[in-house]
Amino acid sequence: NAGVMQNPRHLVRRRGQEARLRCSPMKGHSHVYWYRQLPEEGLKFMVYLQKENIIDESGMPKERFSAEFPKEGPSILRIQQVVRGDSAAYFCASSPGQGALGEQYFGPGTRLTVT
Amino acid sequence: GEDVEQSLFLSVREGDSSVINCTYTDSSSTYLYWYKQEPGAGLQLLTYIFSNMDMKQDQRLTVLLNKKDKHLSLRIADTQTGDSAIYFCAEKGSGTYKYIFGTGTRLKVLA
Repeated sequence: NAGVMQNPRHLVRRRGQEARLRCSPMKGHSHVYWYRQLPEEGLKFMVYLQKENIIDESGMPKERFSAEFPKEGPSILRIQQVVRGDSAAYFCASSPGQGALGEQYFGPGTRLTVT
Repeated sequence: GEDVEQSLFLSVREGDSSVINCTYTDSSSTYLYWYKQEPGAGLQLLTYIFSNMDMKQDQRLTVLLNKKDKHLSLRIADTQTGDSAIYFCAEKGSGTYKYIFGTGTRLKVLA
């Protein structure tokens, strides 16, 4: 059973370009979470999605950031018109549901560098 | 608000024990976790403890929870060079999905 997969692992974008980060959850998992890790900091919650629904986007910046988890295919985190401050590691996690433990399994992350 | 704090660095000699500390503020935290992050890699769940427990042991790892002081620690016995990594503690309340992570402790093991 493959773990959570993210691609690309490394992404370089110039200021003003768009960044698309993909996350394929573990098989059988229908809940996806995105976290951002700024340099020298811990992970900060961004958004929680279920298939075709955004459940909680309270951690997402109001502008330029969007996320989706379509019925088919991976979850996508999209950052429009990237700025240097968007440089960070973006981690995706998945879970089968909240359950008793609600354990989330993390992917390897996408490291975004904005030049 | 919710906050989780850790010291930033810890250096130990190979074979010694490492103790990584964490304090949290949310008294409703139900689950507390320790994650390991190696350079360039994602987060690996090491162990977790429920808030109604004081201690949990798993091979070389011992987790201690002082709920009164909201203090969590991870002890690694016989620390090896392969244990060099960043260790994050995280807390989560019952009925919520949001993990609150600490800033991470960078453990360096000296040969």
